[in-house]
Amino acid sequence: GQQLNQSPQSMFIQEGEDVSMNCTSSSIFNTWLWYKQDPGEGPVLLIALYKAGELTSNGRLTAQFGITRKDSFLNISASIPSDVGIYFCAGLPSGTYKYIFGTGTRLKVLA
Amino acid sequence: DGGITQSPKYLFRKEGQNVTLSCEQNLNHDAMYWYRQDPGQGLRLIYYSQIVNDFQKGDIAEGYSVSREKKESFPLTVTSAQKNPTAFYLCASSTRQGISGNTIYFGEGSWLTVV
Repeated sequence: GQQLNQSPQSMFIQEGEDVSMNCTSSSIFNTWLWYKQDPGEGPVLLIALYKAGELTSNGRLTAQFGITRKDSFLNISASIPSDVGIYFCAGLPSGTYKYIFGTGTRLKVLA
Repeated sequence: DGGITQSPKYLFRKEGQNVTLSCEQNLNHDAMYWYRQDPGQGLRLIYYSQIVNDFQKGDIAEGYSVSREKKESFPLTVTSAQKNPTAFYLCASSTRQGISGNTIYFGEGSWLTVV
């Protein structure tokens, strides 16, 4: 099945640094979702975006729905050790129930 | 608490055996999904259901079966025809497309191992 192009695949950062990751697609989406998944657990929804250009924050997290509706980014400010995990995006093409998922960004925070 | 409950968390299957993973949601969502996640890979759709008594195959449905007799329940059976079933399985649900705020939520996952 189709997958989103998510980058970077992995990141090693120092505690306190800001993090940025993004997803791009060749298709237009009407919803972008960002999740965090810890090993052996289900993904937890971080931010949901429903309109092109929308910018939404959740604590230290900020995500934006790209104007072209083909991309989205997630920023994490002032990273802390518990930010460690896999972050992935999901997009929902118009007129379908079939979400398309990114392959994930593995984040490691060095104290 | 509202959410999606998967059981069991860990399941071991012998060769030639069918096993069923349970998924229950109390979010009053119409749509439910089953995904498979293999190490280092993205989520792959097995089956999805938009309404009760209706479901569609996803990208990797071979060797799996589902039923949707109740809105809140969407069990997945891994049959003996699935030759490589060892994986992490995720159940999810969402509101129906067309309703604003369409968002997919996941259960905590079930590990299936073939022994």
